[in-house]
Amino acid sequence: GQSLEQPSEVTAVEGAIVQINCTYQTSGFYGLSWYQQHDGGAPTFLSYNALDGLEETGRFSSFLSRSDSYGYLLLQELQMKDSASYFCAPLTGGGNKLTFGTGTQLKVEL
Amino acid sequence: DAGVIQSPRHEVTEMGQEVTLRCKPISGHDYLFWYRQTMMRGLELLIYFNNNVPIDDSGMPEDRFSAKMPNASFSTLKIQPSEPRDSAVYFCASQGARGETQYFGPGTRLLVL
Repeated sequence: GQSLEQPSEVTAVEGAIVQINCTYQTSGFYGLSWYQQHDGGAPTFLSYNALDGLEETGRFSSFLSRSDSYGYLLLQELQMKDSASYFCAPLTGGGNKLTFGTGTQLKVEL
Repeated sequence: DAGVIQSPRHEVTEMGQEVTLRCKPISGHDYLFWYRQTMMRGLELLIYFNNNVPIDDSGMPEDRFSAKMPNASFSTLKIQPSEPRDSAVYFCASQGARGETQYFGPGTRLLVL
């Protein structure tokens, strides 16, 4: 069957580094996407890993290990505006179907 | 481009009424997705289209839900009859060549009383 696991909540202080882990079980896996959603807003694309390793985009980095069915999103130099929900989403369905879950709510405190 | 457009943004209706949600995808995008988001179940894929053809509707909860895409610039999601448990935020998203990048509309917040 298919499964997706992320922590439900993470709290960190401004300026810190936080890592949001994601484990998945799915068939027809192409890669792992990450999306951000602020309260009352729509999900927006952050990052994508097709291959094992680290992808860096500014303060955000995402990592994938296909053999472990595991990935993480790393947020550095946290800012208050980073308070949001973060979703990992495996890409399947011939490379066109994303599976989201309940996401991780990140709270950044002063 | 204006992005993905959804209407209405908010809908309050009574149980048993028909609800129609509308979506205009980004021009040139071949894929269109309908999602439902609730606190308990998170963001769930209901159905998606490729070139106006439904590809996967396995997420549609029951026969009360139906979706159509009569042309490349318009799609509807209909709930008939609506029930209180259908209360959720419904998102439409479109996608171009890159499967990992979907562009979401602002969502329709549906409340069924």
